[in-house]
Amino acid sequence: AQKITQTQPGMFVQEKEAVTLDCTYDTSDPSYGLFWYKQPSSGEMIFLIYQGSYDQQNATEGRYSLNFQKARKSANLVISASQLGDSAMYFCAMRGFSGGYNKLIFGAGTRLAVHP
Amino acid sequence: DVKVTQSSRYLVKRTGEKVFLECVQDMDHENMFWYRQDPGLGLRLIYFSYDVKMKEKGDIPEGYSVSREKKERFSLILESASTNQTSMYLCASTPGGRAGDTQYFGPGTRLTVL
Repeated sequence: AQKITQTQPGMFVQEKEAVTLDCTYDTSDPSYGLFWYKQPSSGEMIFLIYQGSYDQQNATEGRYSLNFQKARKSANLVISASQLGDSAMYFCAMRGFSGGYNKLIFGAGTRLAVHP
Repeated sequence: DVKVTQSSRYLVKRTGEKVFLECVQDMDHENMFWYRQDPGLGLRLIYFSYDVKMKEKGDIPEGYSVSREKKERFSLILESASTNQTSMYLCASTPGGRAGDTQYFGPGTRLTVL
């Protein structure tokens, strides 16, 4: 069965510093995709970044990068130069491509607080 | 921009009531989803639909049903609401088909069942 684990219920970081949010996954699918979403207090889920299991390079999107270590089954999100507006819940999610390919499995989330 | 809208941001219902949560997307997406979100559990899939009139059970379908009569609209139905269905409900859509297709989410409905 597929599973996503986020071991940090809460994190805090000083403004302008970098922070890493951990995510490990478990799957027997040879092909899969990993997503990170941000959920501010308003409630809407915002897509941040995607990594395919066969992508050779780590994904980057602006201040977000994904530290993908396939052998360790980890897909940590790195936020550089944190801003106050980065305070939110962050969810890691995985999609498998064998059967039920449309479904995402989510982790429990990490609440990030950015301090001035 | 993709727009996914949900009929209510906040809803309060009584035990035993029939509850309808509506979701509409404006980007002609094939696939639509209903999740519930609870603290410490993340998002859990209730039902999804990959075409009009088609539906598939997710991980926690018990106590829920869905309807998709039109491509843009996906409804979640609580036949007889119970207090353990108090939760945040999120609707999402995706064009599907491509590996990196993200799901686009609505703003959520926070349902309280008294």
